[in-house]
Amino acid sequence: AQSVTQPDIHITVSEGASLELRCNYSYGATPYLFWYVQSPGQGLQLLLKYFSGDTLVQGIKGFEAEFKRSQSSFNLRKPSVHWSDAAEYFCAVVRGSGNTGKLIFGQGTTLQVKP
Amino acid sequence: GAVVSQHPSRVICKSGTSVKIECRSLDFQATTMFWYRQFPKKSLMLMATSNEGSKATYEQGVEKDKFLINHASLTLSTLTVTSAHPEDSSFYICSARSGDRTNEQFFGPGTRLTVL
Repeated sequence: AQSVTQPDIHITVSEGASLELRCNYSYGATPYLFWYVQSPGQGLQLLLKYFSGDTLVQGIKGFEAEFKRSQSSFNLRKPSVHWSDAAEYFCAVVRGSGNTGKLIFGQGTTLQVKP
Repeated sequence: GAVVSQHPSRVICKSGTSVKIECRSLDFQATTMFWYRQFPKKSLMLMATSNEGSKATYEQGVEKDKFLINHASLTLSTLTVTSAHPEDSSFYICSARSGDRTNEQFFGPGTRLTVL
């Protein structure tokens, strides 16, 4: 069955440093992949998504992610982290297709930003 | 576009009472809505999928009599936690999907339920 793994539960980076959050998926065909961000006590905001085409996807807030089929990965990156980026980040894949598709979430990665 | 609201944002109730949470798609018709539960420091767990005008499909381990879901219109789904107990305290998030964008879901801001 389709699944998503985020190997890093907690990451701390200094403000201004680069960031990479890892996401690995398990899926037979070309997956639909997403990255969401959640601030404490809030809902989810979509950062970016990959359906097909260019494997480097640009998102909001300066984030990007690269789909690598050979590594079954969809890692999220940002060149320079801001203090406001501290939040919970979730990678997700759609399981099923069309009207039966469901989002399957990874365990989440908590990002802490040091001043 | 694609805004989803939830009401209430926060609710506190006594054990044994029932609580209803509303999820609305404000600017699109949601043929499918999803209800998730999120424990502190944890990921989102899909509870059920509801399609407008039909019965909800519950995930394994979710009690359908405990968590009643109604999707009476293309813009509204409700989750009723019946006979709530402290272990039902959680963050409940809904999402909505339109018929023409079946691979995207739009999330509500969540409802914090505390059962005393």
